[in-house]
Amino acid sequence: GESVGLHLPTLSVQEGDNSIINCAYSNSASDYFIWYKQESGKGPQFIIDIRSNMDKRQGQRVTVLLNKTVKHLSLQIAATQPGDSAVYFCAELAGNRDDKIIFGKGTRLHILP
Amino acid sequence: DADVTQTPRNRITKTGKRIMLECSQTKGHDRMYWYRQDPGLGLRLIYYSFDVKDINKGEISDGYSVSRQAQAKFSLSLESAIPNQTALYFCATSDGARETQYFGPGTRLLVL
Repeated sequence: GESVGLHLPTLSVQEGDNSIINCAYSNSASDYFIWYKQESGKGPQFIIDIRSNMDKRQGQRVTVLLNKTVKHLSLQIAATQPGDSAVYFCAELAGNRDDKIIFGKGTRLHILP
Repeated sequence: DADVTQTPRNRITKTGKRIMLECSQTKGHDRMYWYRQDPGLGLRLIYYSFDVKDINKGEISDGYSVSRQAQAKFSLSLESAIPNQTALYFCATSDGARETQYFGPGTRLLVL
């Protein structure tokens, strides 16, 4: 079946290092992808998105890479800070699903001092 | 003030009770959504609405109902709450299909 999933449920990264969070999707018709950050006790917050006509998009300290050949999405966070500690969700949207966003299960990013 | 608000923030109820969760937004968005979040399962869509009076079922609509009487408000009801509806509930809004969804702070519901 169609799914959006993450390779690792928990990722521990040293403060100052770069973090890479991965996501696999299975629907080849998906054409819009989003990364959300959810801090403890809060709702998900938009980080960055990418459309299928792109393979890379950069924001402030974050980069999203899209590999449509292997249906893989990644979020790179540069110089990870304590405030980056959160659960990160990837999400996909495909026109053949009535434009409903499907969320992955999430990866918890833990920052080591 | 927050753009998307939810009330209540926490609720404890008993099996069989009817409860309503409210969502309000000041972003002027047409689209509103209700999600449920369980540990290890991410966010799952319950219902969504593209406009006033427009209601669409999501992935897990059984046991829930919604009402969209105004653009700014979208309420979620549990007609007869059961323990496996214990979860964190989020409301979200967006300006279109391929536009960012803005989430509320969530309602933590415990059904005893």
